Amino acid sequence: GENVEQHPSTLSVQEGDSAVIKCTYSDSASNYFPWYKQELGKRPQLIIDIRSNVGEKKDQRIAVTLNKTAKHFSLHITETQPEDSAVYFCAATTDDRGSTLGRLYFGRGTQLTVWP
Amino acid sequence: EAQVTQNPRYLITVTGKKLTVTCSQNMNHEYMSWYRQDPGLGLRQIYYSMNVEVTDKGDVPEGYKVSRKEKRNFPLILESPSPNQTSLYFCASSPHLAGAGKTQYFGPGTRLLVL
Repeated sequence: GENVEQHPSTLSVQEGDSAVIKCTYSDSASNYFPWYKQELGKRPQLIIDIRSNVGEKKDQRIAVTLNKTAKHFSLHITETQPEDSAVYFCAATTDDRGSTLGRLYFGRGTQLTVWP
Repeated sequence: EAQVTQNPRYLITVTGKKLTVTCSQNMNHEYMSWYRQDPGLGLRQIYYSMNVEVTDKGDVPEGYKVSRKEKRNFPLILESPSPNQTSLYFCASSPHLAGAGKTQYFGPGTRLLVL
């Protein structure tokens, strides 16, 4: 099955700096890569996603890049703010028909702390 | 209001006492899934359902059962809970038959402690 690895496990940055979280995946059939943000005591919430036919996607201060050849994707947060402090999870799945349809594989998470 | 609800939100039980955690969504979603979250391990999928009467195993199905008799409900059943099932559980739903390849909406979570 799919294996998603996420690094780093913890990340501390100064307010205003950029933060980058990286994930790798193993199954070349994966074609949908969401990122979730989980604030302390809250449920995970989707913040951005990317499909394998796209190399980069941006939404204001956050962006995700995908390198299909190398099987890795990254989350970039610019101009970080204290409210960006949370645990971030990457994930991978396929929405094509196949045996792994319905499976969503998560990385282990990155605790991002933004210091004022 | 569109939402995924779970009950109970907190539960303390003892080893071997059967329990059910309910999950309900009011968005007419086909896809529903259960995850457990443990420190350092992230979210791991327990079971998922592509539609009514269609369920399948995720990464960690041992010790759990599910059923999907109606579209809106997807209960998680622990027939004989053990301490290693102490965890934070999330239910999620998605509006598309394309499995997990669409935005998943998570419930608020159920924190379970098995003594």
